[in-house]
Amino acid sequence: DAGVTQSPTHLIKTRGQQVTLRCSPKSGHDTVSWYQQALGQGPQFIFQYYEEEERQRGNFPDRFSGHQFPNYSSELNVNALLLGDSALYLCASSPEQGEYTEAFFGQGTRLTVV
Amino acid sequence: AQKVTQAQTEISVVEKEDVTLDCVYETRDTTYYLFWYKQPPSGELVFLIRRNSFDEQNEISGRYSWNFQKSTSSFNFTITASQVVDSAVYFCALSEANQAGTALIFGKGTTLSVSS
Repeated sequence: DAGVTQSPTHLIKTRGQQVTLRCSPKSGHDTVSWYQQALGQGPQFIFQYYEEEERQRGNFPDRFSGHQFPNYSSELNVNALLLGDSALYLCASSPEQGEYTEAFFGQGTRLTVV
Repeated sequence: AQKVTQAQTEISVVEKEDVTLDCVYETRDTTYYLFWYKQPPSGELVFLIRRNSFDEQNEISGRYSWNFQKSTSSFNFTITASQVVDSAVYFCALSEANQAGTALIFGKGTTLSVSS
């Protein structure tokens, strides 16, 4: 059973460019969340998708946008990249159930903005 | 506002020592969930435990144990007889039930180094 998979694993972009990160959730999971983890910090919640809609959003600017596809996979898009966007971007998936359950994380995409 | 504080930035121990990682949380909700995750150098966050706010029973899983105390808003994690493989960054996280989704609020993490 494949877990959460993210691509690419590493990425280098230039300031001002745009980037798209991809995530495939664990089998049976229909909810996908994205987190940004700066070096030495805890992950910060960006947004969550369920049924192809953004259900919840953290305190991130509109430059950060996303999408969820009918197969539950998801993309995170960041426009007008800033040096401060350099971080590990983590995707997490979970099943939508009556009782809260834990999120499973991928290994992340390391984005470096130069 | 919800917040998670892990006051210990780094802890170093020698193998077989016991170590406790502290976590203090803030929330206005009466229903919430607390988590511990482990992050090895590979970067993937590994789930360790989930506890809901109505269940204050302490839990033991092998060498791991958790002490949840609502009175002090703490959810501490103890590793007994630590091993080198326990070296990692450990995160405590909180999720409030009264929100649109299931976002996790993480602490800044505690880096645990276990030497042989």
